[in-house]
Amino acid sequence: DIQMTQSPSSLSASVGERVTITCRASQTISRYLNWYQQKPGKAPKLLIYAASSLLTGVPSRFSGSGSGTDFTLTITSLQPEDFATYYCQQSYGPPRTFGQGTKVEIK
Amino acid sequence: QVQVVQSGAEVKKPGASVKVSCKASGYTFTSHDINWVRQASGQGLEWMGWMNVNSGKTGYAQKFQGRLTMTRNTSISTAYMELSSLRSEDTAVYFCARRTILYHYYYVMDVWGQGTTVTVSS
Repeated sequence: DIQMTQSPSSLSASVGERVTITCRASQTISRYLNWYQQKPGKAPKLLIYAASSLLTGVPSRFSGSGSGTDFTLTITSLQPEDFATYYCQQSYGPPRTFGQGTKVEIK
Repeated sequence: QVQVVQSGAEVKKPGASVKVSCKASGYTFTSHDINWVRQASGQGLEWMGWMNVNSGKTGYAQKFQGRLTMTRNTSISTAYMELSSLRSEDTAVYFCARRTILYHYYYVMDVWGQGTTVTVSS
């Protein structure tokens, strides 16, 4: 199985700050990498697919990059509604494993 | 609108089985696979498996082999996830999600159910 490792596990940031979350795959997955946002008590929401493609309707302050084994999710100017937990997921092959999540909290 | 709606919370005893439903609307049910993901309290997301709704073909994560069964009833646009031999560690919120393929290659889970809480307790 492909293992997905995110860092950090949590971070504290202020509104307006730039935030970067990294995700590393245990083997190369090309660009088969998705990012999801989850708020407490809610289902995950797809933000980015194919490592860097923003889903329609997702604010442009979100961006993704990377290929192979190393990926990043960047939020350029953190907004109050962005405080949530973010998960990467590989879609290279089953089982379609998730990272352990990165919780973004208010500083 | 496009949505999937899950059945309500369940409380089960250890050793029992649970069957959760996932009813789709707003899109052609047989055109998209359904995936199941679970999340224990305070923990991350765990992918459980997938089902091709058109053919009924399934694929399960190794840790659930032998205990997990996914089925569907296309006449009522509903998918089901049944987990047997329940133990306390299976206490979690279970999500169904529609799988969409973007640009021919990229598999995403783009429509999620609201989640079903399954509690396993004696």
